[in-house]
Amino acid sequence: AQKVTQAQTEISVVEKEDVTLDCVYETRDTTYYLFWYKQPPSGELVFLIRRNSFDEQNEISGRYSWNFQKSTSSFNFTITASQVVDSAVYFCALSETGTASKLTFGTGTRLQVTL
Amino acid sequence: GAVVSQHPSRVICKSGTSVKIECRSLDFQATTMFWYRQFPKQSLMLMATSNEGSKATYEQGVEKDKFLINHASLTLSTLTVTSAHPEDSSFYICSARGVRGTDTQYFGPGTRLTVL
Repeated sequence: AQKVTQAQTEISVVEKEDVTLDCVYETRDTTYYLFWYKQPPSGELVFLIRRNSFDEQNEISGRYSWNFQKSTSSFNFTITASQVVDSAVYFCALSETGTASKLTFGTGTRLQVTL
Repeated sequence: GAVVSQHPSRVICKSGTSVKIECRSLDFQATTMFWYRQFPKQSLMLMATSNEGSKATYEQGVEKDKFLINHASLTLSTLTVTSAHPEDSSFYICSARGVRGTDTQYFGPGTRLTVL
């Protein structure tokens, strides 16, 4: 069965610091998708990125970057020069093919960015 | 693109009443919609998967007679919490997956249900 582990429960940083959120996953499938979602205090989950298991290229989008390493089953997320608006709970999730796209979520990492 | 709405955003009801929550995909057709429940400071728990025109598939431990799901069209799914009790109080979130086969789920803003 699939599993997603986000070992960091809460992280607190000062604005402009860089921060990395860890995500480790387990799956027996060779084809799968990994996701990151942001959940601000309002509650809505905001889609950030989707990566399929065959694409190990790292991705950068503005201040956000993702490091996918199949060898260590990790899909870490880095925010560069963090801002107060980045304060939220961040969820890593896994979807296996053949499971009707059901997402398995990690427990989330609460990021607090202060001035 | 990929906007999902939920209505209502908040509802307070008396114990024993039923509450209906709507989930709509506004700018795409959703072959599959998902319903999640989230307790405070916890992760999302998948309750059921619904495909347009067919019966929902419920996760283990979720009472199908208590949480009625209907997916009548490619843009609308509803969750009805029947005979609600205080322990049903929670944050309910829906998500929708488009027809093009992408595995990305787009989430609604959630509905906070409080049962008195």
